[in-house]
Order: sequence, then structure tokens, then C-alpha cells
Amino acid sequence: GNSVTQMEGPVTLSEEAFLTINCTYTATGYPSLFWYVQYPGEGLQLLLKATKADDKGSNKGFEATYRKETTSFHLEKGSVQVSDSAVYFCAARGSARQLTFGSGTQLTVLP
Amino acid sequence: DGGITQSPKYLFRKEGQNVTLSCEQNLNHDAMYWYRQDPGQGLRLIYYSQIVNDFQKGDIAEGYSVSREKKESFPLTVTSAQKNPTAFYLCASSSGLAGGFNEQFFGPGTRLTVL
Repeated sequence: GNSVTQMEGPVTLSEEAFLTINCTYTATGYPSLFWYVQYPGEGLQLLLKATKADDKGSNKGFEATYRKETTSFHLEKGSVQVSDSAVYFCAARGSARQLTFGSGTQLTVLP
Repeated sequence: DGGITQSPKYLFRKEGQNVTLSCEQNLNHDAMYWYRQDPGQGLRLIYYSQIVNDFQKGDIAEGYSVSREKKESFPLTVTSAQKNPTAFYLCASSSGLAGGFNEQFFGPGTRLTVL
């Protein structure tokens, strides 16, 4: 089955700093890849997605590029805000159509 | 407003009691899912259903049961056989699994605590 490995947290940054959260996957074939965000006490929201190699997903200033050669889907943002503080999950969806999640990375942005 | 609702938000139960968590969606989605979230472990799939009156076990189905009698509803029962039920439970849904990209939409979750 698929597996997803995420950079361990917690990650603490100052406002306007550059963010990278690493994500790599192991899968048969070419899974669709996702980043979800979870704010405190809430469910998950889809942040961005990519369905094939070299696709770039982007939303709210966040970006991630599907890299087949390195089996990676790293999340980046050029300038984080306090409101970006949340837990971020990388996920892969393979041929069985089930989502496999990484363990999540807690991000805290300080003013 | 289309979406997924879960109730209650917080639930307490005594050891040895069964408890049922509600999940309702008005998105007209065929597929529904239950996940369990524990600190530092991400989400693990408990059960999923692709269509009414059909469901399959996920990775950690032991001690749980589900039913899918209506398209919009997918209740999860945490039985007394579940040895460590305290967790955050998330319900999700997606449009038909037959091809295409099917984003999963999540409910707000239910936090279950066993006393």
C-alpha cells in the first residue's frame, strides 16, 4: 500500500518567514497528492492538490510541486502569517482510491 | 449550505458502554469515510462506504461498526470491544469512486473521551 512521510514538527517561525514542510511518498503507480490543513478543534480542509507529475498545486500563497523523480510533494510559502498556524497533513490517493495520510506537522507562527 | 455535520462535538462515555457518533452530509456524495486521529499519528481509516448498504473495513476496524442505510448518513458505533477509544473522530465524504478526482470533504469532528 501507499505510505506518506512528513517532516516532523513542531515548526515555529516568525511572521513573514519562509516555510517548507517536506513530504515524500511511497506508492505503486502515480498517486494523486494533497495537502490538508487542520485548524485547532476543527476538521481537515483541502489546501491544494496535484494529480500528475510536474503539476503545481497552489492556494492562499501555499505551493507544492509533484516531483515524480524524488517522490516528493513539499509544501512551501514565501511569507507566513500568524493565521497560518495549524497542523498540515500530506496525503496520497492511489488506485484503491483511499487516502493515506502523513502524521501531520504542527506549524506555529509568532508575531 | 452544503457540508458535513458531525454530532456531538464532545462525547464522554464510561468504560464498557457502546456509543454512536453521527455523520450526515448533504453534498449528494456516494462515498463516506470514518477516520480516527490520535496525537502525532495522523489519520487512520476505520471504515468506508462506496454506496448505500455497502461498506468495507479500513486499517483499524476492530472494535467499531457502521451502517449505511441512507446515502446521507454514515453512523459509527464505538463498541466496548475497542480497547482504546479515546480519540478525535473525523467523518468525510467524496463523490462517486468511479474514476476522476474525488476530493474528500471533512466534517468538524467528534472528540470522544472514555472515563
